[in-house]
Formats: sequence, structure tokens, C-alpha cells
Amino acid sequence: SQQGEEDPQALSIQEGENATMNCSYKTSINNLQWYRQNSGRGLVHLILIRSNEREKHSGRLRVTLDTSKKSSSLLITASRAADTASYFCATDGLTGGGNKLTFGTGTQLKVEL
Amino acid sequence: GAVVSQHPSWVICKSGTSVKIECRSLDFQATTMFWYRQFPKQSLMLMATSNEGSKATYEQGVEKDKFLINHASLTLSTLTVTSAHPEDSSFYICSARGGGPPFYGYTFGSGTRLTVV
Repeated sequence: SQQGEEDPQALSIQEGENATMNCSYKTSINNLQWYRQNSGRGLVHLILIRSNEREKHSGRLRVTLDTSKKSSSLLITASRAADTASYFCATDGLTGGGNKLTFGTGTQLKVEL
Repeated sequence: GAVVSQHPSWVICKSGTSVKIECRSLDFQATTMFWYRQFPKQSLMLMATSNEGSKATYEQGVEKDKFLINHASLTLSTLTVTSAHPEDSSFYICSARGGGPPFYGYTFGSGTRLTVV
């Protein structure tokens, strides 16, 4: 079953604006990761935040994690048309079979010129 | 960095035939590999986890006799879709995790688009 729910499902913004995506999950995690996927392509790892971290930055990306609320957010600042893609959060949690990544439902971001 | 090669990138097959997809870790040993399926405009659903030299662990609802997974070496896992039907048409992605650092260690293949006609 899906671990994470993301919102919004779709987001359309103008180039230069910021984009915020949210992810909620259900169980304990070791870390949470964000990935980008261009249409019909593989995944690109964006950023990882550990369960004991609250905020992390990487270039134009800012990720927050609130383990008490079991939620995370991804902020993309000064968006570009090339940021148009689907974005997924993925939780890395320990299960009976060992660690595995479970993906959220995803947010489709469209950045228009 | 770690690279995972997945082949083929796309395949079209006739209904009733079997298709094999390969996932190779090129520069590291992958003790664990994962297979995901993704339908259009949907998220990745984990199908199974395979550890080298042992049987794969399938997620609930995934038919193990239909989706055969073999992880015979530390660098290769294969997914065989047996007796494929149109409803098996999907995007299949593998992921490999090494036996040690880096701590997150998940590297994804570029995916295989399967179309069953």
C-alpha cells in the first residue's frame, strides 16, 4: 500500500515563482527522500532528510520534516520551465524484510514561461 | 557514482508471451534489488524485494508466479513477466541498494516500458 500522500496532486505556476509540495506518511521512518521524474523517464534523486533533521537545503531546494506530524515539504524556489516534472516523496522505513523505499502519490508540477 | 543499468528501455510483446527485464549494478555490488511498477500518471508501487541468492519477497497482491524475479548475482536481477496480458502493460523500474555506505544507497534504473498487444 502507498505510504505517502502528497498534495497538491497537480500544481501549475509561472516561471520565477516558488513551488511547494507536501507529503504525509504513516509509519516511522529512517529518512525521507524526494525524487523527480520527467515524463516516462527514470527517477532523479533530489534530496534526503534524516529522521533527526528538521530542515535541509540543496541549491534551490528546501526540505522540511516534521516527524511529530509525519509530514514533509519540498520547496523549489525561483522555478524554471525545466523544473516541470512529477515529484515524489519516498520514505525509507524498516520493515520485516529490511529497509525499503515507499513512494508517495506524487505531485505533477508545471512551470510555465 | 553508483549506476544501475536497466534493459530493455522499452519492449512490445504479444499477449501470452514472456518478457525478461534486466537490472544491473555497474560499479557496485547490490545486495538488495527492488522492482517497482508504475501506471501512467501514478506513483511507483513496490512489487518485490530481492536479495542475492534468496527468494524474492513479494508485496501483497503481486502474483509471484506471474512476475518471476531472479537475483542470482550481486550485480544482476531479472524480472520476467510470464504470459503477459495487456493489463501488464506498464512502466517497470528497478532499484539497487549496496551492502554498505552511502547511507541511502538506492540507485534507480531508467525503467522499462512494457506494452503488451
